[in-house]
Amino acid sequence: SYVLTQPPSVSVAPGKTATITCGGSKIGSKSVHWYQQKPGQAPILVMSYDSDRPSGIPERFSGSNSESTATLTISRVEAGDEADYYCQVWDSGSDQVVFGGGTELTVL
Amino acid sequence: EVQLVESGGGLVQPGGSLRLSCAASGFPFSSHEMNWVRQAPGKGLEWVSYISFGSTIFYADSVKGRFTVSRDNAKSSLYLQMNGLRDEDTAVYYCTRGPLCPYDSWGQGTLVTVSS
Repeated sequence: SYVLTQPPSVSVAPGKTATITCGGSKIGSKSVHWYQQKPGQAPILVMSYDSDRPSGIPERFSGSNSESTATLTISRVEAGDEADYYCQVWDSGSDQVVFGGGTELTVL
Repeated sequence: EVQLVESGGGLVQPGGSLRLSCAASGFPFSSHEMNWVRQAPGKGLEWVSYISFGSTIFYADSVKGRFTVSRDNAKSSLYLQMNGLRDEDTAVYYCTRGPLCPYDSWGQGTLVTVSS
């Protein structure tokens, strides 16, 4: 089955740039979506189809996808960005939706 | 405003059954694909099932043969019939709107606890 690998945690100082990666075999050939989940809340979509920002998501959030790694980048990080972030793809080979294990973003 | 409200969670013994419901409002339910996603306590997200506008259905390998997804467009409702429940099915179950992915709306979830 298809596996998405995310770092368990990323730490960043306020105002700096956070980079959260999502690795997978030939992930560059798939569309990657990203969700943000704060404690006790349902996830929200923060990036779709690699680099499309849904309405209401700040321009500080951007995404990219190439070869074996997809990346969610958060510029000028704020305390309110502290959350768990999950990547997601559809694996047509197995007819399964796959989530990465999640990355906990800590704002120092 | 899009609203998805899950219900039907609770405590059930291993091997038991439970039926989850998701009441949708604020959008034309019959025109949207839907999914169930779950999250075990302290763990990550796991996709469970997808249902199209019509009859296309997919399941995660972990629930195939035990769970059945259905929808009633007249009632704007999504369902998940869960049979043969196991300890590892313990999770918050979310109803989500969208194709196989991505999901633009999530409910607040309903907790299913499988324990003797």
